[in-house]
Amino acid sequence: GAVVSQHPSRVICKSGTSVKIECRSLDFQATTMFWYRQFPKKSLMLMATSNEGSKATYEQGVEKDKFLINHASLTLSTLTVTSAHPEDSSFYICSAPRGMPGGNEQFFGPGTRLTVL
Amino acid sequence: AQSVAQPEDQVNVAEGNPLTVKCTYSVSGNPYLFWYVQYPNRGLQFLLKYITGDNLVKGSYGFEAEFNKSQTSFHLKKPSALVSDSALYFCAVRPRGSGNTPLVFGKGTRLSVIA
Repeated sequence: GAVVSQHPSRVICKSGTSVKIECRSLDFQATTMFWYRQFPKKSLMLMATSNEGSKATYEQGVEKDKFLINHASLTLSTLTVTSAHPEDSSFYICSAPRGMPGGNEQFFGPGTRLTVL
Repeated sequence: AQSVAQPEDQVNVAEGNPLTVKCTYSVSGNPYLFWYVQYPNRGLQFLLKYITGDNLVKGSYGFEAEFNKSQTSFHLKKPSALVSDSALYFCAVRPRGSGNTPLVFGKGTRLSVIA
């Protein structure tokens, strides 16, 4: 099956710093990638859709200046949490759709645990 | 609006007993339906999906799910639970024909299998 990687898997930073999370599709090209955020014991909340060659589409309530998304190539999307604060601490997961028999299927990265002190 | 309901926050079952994790959905048309499993501090792992055809779908690790169109349900089942099945399970849907749209997830159900 298709593989999606995320880096780093875990990051701890001080309040006010910026953190970049990478999402890579390792064996397929993804013109679209999705970024989700998961709070403890909660479901996945879609934050934004990352589009290669164009601006990301953000979900309602997600600050685009806070969560910068860049889809640099057909295999890489990055999420930068700018001026991070403790309330940004969360588990961030990316996914990428890939055409499969029977329709597109989404492949998920392993997630990045962000802790802001 | 599309939505997925997982009515149980927690399901407890004894090892060796059958398990069911419930899911109902509200999506126009005939959606694609998915189940994913998440282990602590890990990403989501695909279990199975319903696209078309037989209403009973078999997936990874002995899991299966039954699509019921009249009840708009897609309950996850396993005949004999293992302790290692303890994890967080998510049901998800995507409207048919929308290749690059994101999945809509239920809130998740935590399964605890007791030895």
